[in-house]
Amino acid sequence: DARVTQTPRHKVTEMGQEVTMRCQPILGHNTVFWYRQTMMQGLELLAYFRNRAPLDDSGMPKDRFSAEMPDATLATLKIQPSEPRDSAVYFCASGQAGDWNEQYFGPGTRLTVT
Amino acid sequence: AQSVTQLDSQVPVFEEAPVELRCNYSSSVSVYLFWYVQYPNQGLQLLLKYLSGSTLVKGINGFEAEFNKSQTSFHLRKPSVHISDTAEYFCAVSEWGSQGNLIFGKGTKLSVKP
Repeated sequence: DARVTQTPRHKVTEMGQEVTMRCQPILGHNTVFWYRQTMMQGLELLAYFRNRAPLDDSGMPKDRFSAEMPDATLATLKIQPSEPRDSAVYFCASGQAGDWNEQYFGPGTRLTVT
Repeated sequence: AQSVTQLDSQVPVFEEAPVELRCNYSSSVSVYLFWYVQYPNQGLQLLLKYLSGSTLVKGINGFEAEFNKSQTSFHLRKPSVHISDTAEYFCAVSEWGSQGNLIFGKGTKLSVKP
């Protein structure tokens, strides 16, 4: 049963600290997406990658957020420094380009910045 | 630019009653359409998708949706809901030939009461 995995599932940190979230896409998928979900804004697309190359990161605050794919099995989203307004659930999703753009979501990382 | 409108943010309904969750989209080209479900504290899970062909699409858990091109709608229906259907439902659209990203609606919270 192929799944997208995300670690950690929960993270509580203090303002100013660095936060790194990790995602393992489904094996064979070549597209990875990062979303943020809050009560106020709903589901927002932050960035996505195709074949490990960034395609669009226009939804991401550039000054503090960065997203990378060190290899095909790992995607990372980093926040440095973190702020209370970054508190949200961060989802990773993966898909196979050409597969009707269907996306498979991970369980999310719930981030709380105090 | 493509967009998705979910007309109801919350839908309360009694158990065993029928339900319809409304979704309208705008796009200048042909689209793929999706409904995702998010149970509390979980990621999004694909409920059903329309790619082409028959406009009536059946999904998991007894849900179905009908694509109406002239009205640019993709409403989700279930003839008899259960308490376990309580969740948030997201409509999403992707354009043919796009880079693979989905545009999500704001979501509809379905609350099934006994």
